[in-house]
Amino acid sequence: GQQVMQIPQYQHVQEGEDFTTYCNSSTTLSNIQWYKQRPGGHPVFLIQLVKSGEVKKQKRLTFQFGEAKKNSSLHITATQTTDVGTYFCAGTTSGTYKYIFGTGTRLKVLA
Amino acid sequence: DAGVTQSPTHLIKTRGQQVTLRCSPKSGHDTVSWYQQALGQGPQFIFQYYEEEERQRGNFPDRFSGHQFPNYSSELNVNALLLGDSALYLCASSALWWERSTDTQYFGPGTRLTVL
Repeated sequence: GQQVMQIPQYQHVQEGEDFTTYCNSSTTLSNIQWYKQRPGGHPVFLIQLVKSGEVKKQKRLTFQFGEAKKNSSLHITATQTTDVGTYFCAGTTSGTYKYIFGTGTRLKVLA
Repeated sequence: DAGVTQSPTHLIKTRGQQVTLRCSPKSGHDTVSWYQQALGQGPQFIFQYYEEEERQRGNFPDRFSGHQFPNYSSELNVNALLLGDSALYLCASSALWWERSTDTQYFGPGTRLTVL
């Protein structure tokens, strides 16, 4: 079945350093979403990417969707302590309403 | 404008029992999806309800069933509970038509189910 993997599983960074998480799907996706989940919280929608090669920015966050629509990345510039949490990608394929979540990358930011 | 609400917040059950979890979607949303999130894992899709019908189902046994009411609220029922059903159960609402081409999912706070 369809699998979505994320690397790394964990990342510890010093405040001010950059952070990137990568998402890889075993199948071609129709779109991909990114979520942030704070410890003890629930996933919060960040963004949706639909087009091949699409790049979107939200302040310090940059999201990319691969040309083959099988991978994606989230890059955070100059991390802050408020960026702490687990970042999940979630992809869906054409003709389905099911989103498959990635394994997540847990980010810790050291002040 | 209330977001997605879920009840109860926490629940403790014993093996073999049955449980019902409830979800009210965000105002204006007509689609509800249920997810199971085990500790340290990503959410796993259980099923999605739209127009009071189960529109899609994930890889979960028939012990997991649901319902959607005319006001778009939803219930998740789990029968014959197993220890492995202990998890955070998340409800997410979305609205394809109201939000144009995106199907942004808004998650509720979840119900933490513990099976002893």
